[in-house]
Parts: sequence; C-alpha cells; structure tokens
Amino acid sequence: EVQVVESGGGLVKPGGSLTLSCEVSEFSVSDAWVSWVRQAPGKGLEWVGRIGRKSEGGTTDYAAPVEGRFTISRDDSKNTVYLQMNSLKSEDTALYFCATNAMPPYLFDYWGQGTLVTVSS
Amino acid sequence: QSALTQEASVSGTVGQKVTLSCSGNSSNIGFYTVGWYQQISHGAPKNVMFGESPPSGISDRISDRFSGSKSGTTASLTISGLQPEDEATYYCSTWDNILYVVIFGGGTKLTVL
Repeated sequence: EVQVVESGGGLVKPGGSLTLSCEVSEFSVSDAWVSWVRQAPGKGLEWVGRIGRKSEGGTTDYAAPVEGRFTISRDDSKNTVYLQMNSLKSEDTALYFCATNAMPPYLFDYWGQGTLVTVSS
Repeated sequence: QSALTQEASVSGTVGQKVTLSCSGNSSNIGFYTVGWYQQISHGAPKNVMFGESPPSGISDRISDRFSGSKSGTTASLTISGLQPEDEATYYCSTWDNILYVVIFGGGTKLTVL
C-alpha cells in the first residue's frame, strides 16, 4: 500500500525558514500531483499548495496566505516532495500533512501522519 | 470563515442514519466533484467518498454504509447504520475556479451516542 511520510517539522523563530519533506512509496512522485495541507491547533484543514505531474510541466499552485513565501519542489531521484517555508509567521504554526492527489487533482488520495511546525520566539 | 459551509456538529445513535451537508456555490460545488475526508482525533485524514463513489483502488477500506450525493451547490455524505468507529470529524473539499485554490469546509464533528 502507498505510504506517505512527512518529516522536517520543528520549532522556528518568526521570520525564519524551514523545509519539510514528503517521501512517497509504491509509485513515482513525478507521475503524481502532490499537495500540502495544514491544520492549525484546534482548527480545520487548510490547503497550502500542490505540485503537478512532471509530464504536465510540474506546475505549482499556492494558497494566498503562503504565496511568495512557500515553495513546493520535487526530487525525483529521492521520490520526495518538499515544502520550503520562508518568512515564517506565528499563524503558520500547524500540523502539515502531505497528500497525493487523485484525479482530478483537487481530490486527495493518500495522506501522511503530518509533521508539526511551531513558529514562536 | 470557510469557503464551504458544514454543520459544526451532528450526533446520532448506533444504527441510525445521519446525513452531513456541505454547501458552496456555482464556482465550486456546483461545478466540481466533492471529496469527503474522515479525521479521528487530529490524526491523518482518510478519504471516504469522491462525489457519489468511494475512492477507486481503496474502496475495500471504505464501508458500504457511506454514500455521497449532490444537488446543485450542496453535497451530502450519508452514513447508514451508524457505528461507534464512525465518530470523527468529517471535512468536505473541492476546487474553486474563481479563487483558483482547493477549498475545505470547516468540518462536522460527528458524535455517536
């Protein structure tokens, strides 16, 4: 069965940077759309962004609150998707989930357990 | 405030049928398939329904007690024969072609009495 494993979370100061990783097993991430979804403490799910299939240009889309600060990328050799987060704010504190997208690529297929990011001084 | 509107909480007794709703507009639910996701105690969400069908390839993990429907700009998830293990928060989600993002509802906390 497909496994999705996130890593890289931790405590970071406001204005700092952090990069999360999402390793997927059983299929190639270059053939998939992959999204990041976050959940602030006690709150609901919020889509962060996604990266498209390599065959479709690997385009990226982002939610407005993170546009310009977060970047999603992919390393096909490691079958891993990354979320680089810069200029972090306290409101970015959340559990960050990685999820593979089904088709159409706004539905979510397999989810990881999440990695916690805390932005605090 | 979420782009999609869900009931904050719904409760039912074991064996009962409950229906959760998800309301949007013509730029999202009215045009796109709605996904439903079950989350237990802030663990990993699990997809339980895409539109009116369980997700393909993993349908053996989804109980046939779950069913989905849509009418206009409102989608619904119905759970028949409610079981204690169904107690969870359920989120609906879809694409919005004006905001150009994936949007979620605020989630419905289902309590099994």
